[in-house]
Amino acid sequence: GAVVSQHPSWVICKSGTSVKIECRSLDFQATTMFWYRQFPKQSLMLMATSNEGSKATYEQGVEKDKFLINHASLTLSTLTVTSAHPEDSSFYICSAKQGVNYEQYFGPGTRLTVT
Amino acid sequence: SQKIEQNSEALNIQEGKTATLTCNYTNYSPAYLQWYRQDPGRGPVFLLLIRENEKEKRKERLKVTFDTTLKQSLFHITASQPADSATYLCALSQGGKLIFGQGTELSVKP
Repeated sequence: GAVVSQHPSWVICKSGTSVKIECRSLDFQATTMFWYRQFPKQSLMLMATSNEGSKATYEQGVEKDKFLINHASLTLSTLTVTSAHPEDSSFYICSAKQGVNYEQYFGPGTRLTVT
Repeated sequence: SQKIEQNSEALNIQEGKTATLTCNYTNYSPAYLQWYRQDPGRGPVFLLLIRENEKEKRKERLKVTFDTTLKQSLFHITASQPADSATYLCALSQGGKLIFGQGTELSVKP
């Protein structure tokens, strides 16, 4: 149980284009989903928290107009990187939790490369 | 300032030995602390959670301790195996969010 999937697993896009990443909880209802980014050899940095049906809460320094998050259902959240630039190249990982449970279950990650 | 520190250097041990990883933090008061395993190019996998009022938690070959006075958690893998080689992350709870350490890379040699 507690499986989270992400799609795509990797994507290459040209500078200036937008990319959408999907995060799904497969066998539980995710009332809260989180989006992280991770640079090589570094820790996971939280970008935003989203609750189903509400607007996402972004961490300080994360541009909400650049990283659009939608959490329209209890099993799906999407992250859209708009007008991507090479510095947006990173490993993006989502996680999900159910209700007041403490454990977060992570997706396998999406490697984004912007050329 | 708030900090979470894990052993920055990789830990190399022999198969069968006990691996001990450290997580120290300052200026946090976490209600709970979690340990995750991360393999290269993959998302973290949840291992154990320990609450502030718990001293120790065990799961199979894994043991976690949590000392809120020392502001430290220790993560032990007994009878280590090459398959245990990975990066291990500690994460503190902070207002419903998790704050991650930078991770310690463990390598278990046969």
